Amino acid sequence: AQSVTQLDSQVPVFEEAPVELRCNYSSSVSVYLFWYVQYPNQGLQLLLKYLSGSTLVKGINGFEAEFNKSQTSFHLRKPSVHISDTAEYFCAVSDRGTDKLIFGTGTRLQVFP
Amino acid sequence: SAVISQKPSRDICQRGTSLTIQCQVDSQVTMMFWYRQQPGQSLTLIATANQGSEATYESGFVIDKFPISRPNLTFSTLTVSNMSPEDSSIYLCSVGQGQYEQYFGPGTRLTVT
Repeated sequence: AQSVTQLDSQVPVFEEAPVELRCNYSSSVSVYLFWYVQYPNQGLQLLLKYLSGSTLVKGINGFEAEFNKSQTSFHLRKPSVHISDTAEYFCAVSDRGTDKLIFGTGTRLQVFP
Repeated sequence: SAVISQKPSRDICQRGTSLTIQCQVDSQVTMMFWYRQQPGQSLTLIATANQGSEATYESGFVIDKFPISRPNLTFSTLTVSNMSPEDSSIYLCSVGQGQYEQYFGPGTRLTVT
């Protein structure tokens, strides 16, 4: 069965520092990959997605992610974080041909001044 | 992307009672999904609700406990029946748009006492 692993449950970082949130998936078939952000007491917002083509994907709020098929990874990065980036970040995957999303357990990004 | 609203935004209910959660979308969509997010955890898909057909439930979720209606292309309801404290969660609806993307409502925070 498809699964998503987010190795870091919490990532503390100082403002203006770079950050990487890690995501690995298990599928051996072609997949679509997504990163969502959940701000406190809100629903999920789509940050970015990988469907095909260029392995470097740029999203909203200065985030980007790189699809690495050989390592089955889709790590999220931002070169300089802001206090407002403090939130829970979820990686998700869907098998091509299905509409279901499988979510990772989430990574709480805490940005300190 | 679609604008999704949910009612109620939060509720506190007594065990043994039922709560119906409404999900309204500002445009017609084919696929709608219901998720549960237990405290401090990731999202788990409850069921897929397509207009004109019975909802499809994921393993571990049954229609008697979580009946779903999908009367038209902009609306769906999820009922949490015979509630117990273990049902305390955030319940989110989402809609499928584009290529396998999903957009989420703000969620309904349910506490069962």
